[in-house]
Amino acid sequence: EAQVTQNPRYLITVTGKKLTVTCSQNMNHEYMSWYRQDPGLGLRQIYYSMNVEVTDKGDVPEGYKVSRKEKRNFPLILESPSPNQTSLYFCASSPRGRQDYEQYFGPGTRLTVT
Amino acid sequence: QKEVEQDPGPLSVPEGAIVSLNCTYSNSAFQYFMWYRQYSRKGPELLMYTYSSGNKEDGRFTAQVDKSSKYISLFIRDSQPSDSATYLCAMSGGVIYNQGGKLIFGQGTELSVKP
Repeated sequence: EAQVTQNPRYLITVTGKKLTVTCSQNMNHEYMSWYRQDPGLGLRQIYYSMNVEVTDKGDVPEGYKVSRKEKRNFPLILESPSPNQTSLYFCASSPRGRQDYEQYFGPGTRLTVT
Repeated sequence: QKEVEQDPGPLSVPEGAIVSLNCTYSNSAFQYFMWYRQYSRKGPELLMYTYSSGNKEDGRFTAQVDKSSKYISLFIRDSQPSDSATYLCAMSGGVIYNQGGKLIFGQGTELSVKP
C-alpha cells in the first residue's frame, strides 16, 4: 500500500530532551515536507526537501532540524524541545514537479512537551 | 491579516443537503487551489485541485475559483454522513514562484452531516 508513515504517533516528553520523529514514504517521491497543525492557525510548513541532501526552511523552522540522507526518509529533529512545540505534526510527500498541488500526508504525530 | 481565511464552523447539515464551503485569500500570486479532507485523527487527504480560475467537478464535489474576487468554494451535493470531516482549503504559488511546494492552508471547516 502506497503510504507515508510516521513514528511515533503520540509522544509526551519534557523540555530539553532531544527527540526525533521519523517519516518514511514508499512511493519513490522526490519531495518531502513537514508541517505542524495548531488550533486557529491551520497547517504551517516547517521544512521541506526537494530531493536527497537538499533541504530548506519553511515558515516556522525555529527549533527544528531535518536531514534527507535517503529518498524515502525525512526525520524531524527537535534538539531541545520547548512547550511551544506542543503540536500535531504531519509529514507529506509528493512526486517530482507536483509538490505545489499534490501532497500526500502521513497520519500525524501528536507531541506534548511539558 | 492571514493570507487565507476560512470559517472554522462547525457546520451541521442534514443528510442529502448541499454543502457550501468557502475560503478567501489575499495573495494574488496563488495559482493552485486545493481542497483537503481530514477525518478525525487522520492526516489530510487531497480531494481535488484547480489551476487558476474556473470550475472542476468530481462526482458529488465541485470546486470553484474566482481569482478576481480572491474567493474559492467547494460544493458537496447529496451530502452523506461519511462526508463528516474537517475540510481544509490550501493554496500555492506554483513552480514559477519557486516557493518549494509550500501550501498555505485555511483553518479548516468542521462539517457534520446528520442522518
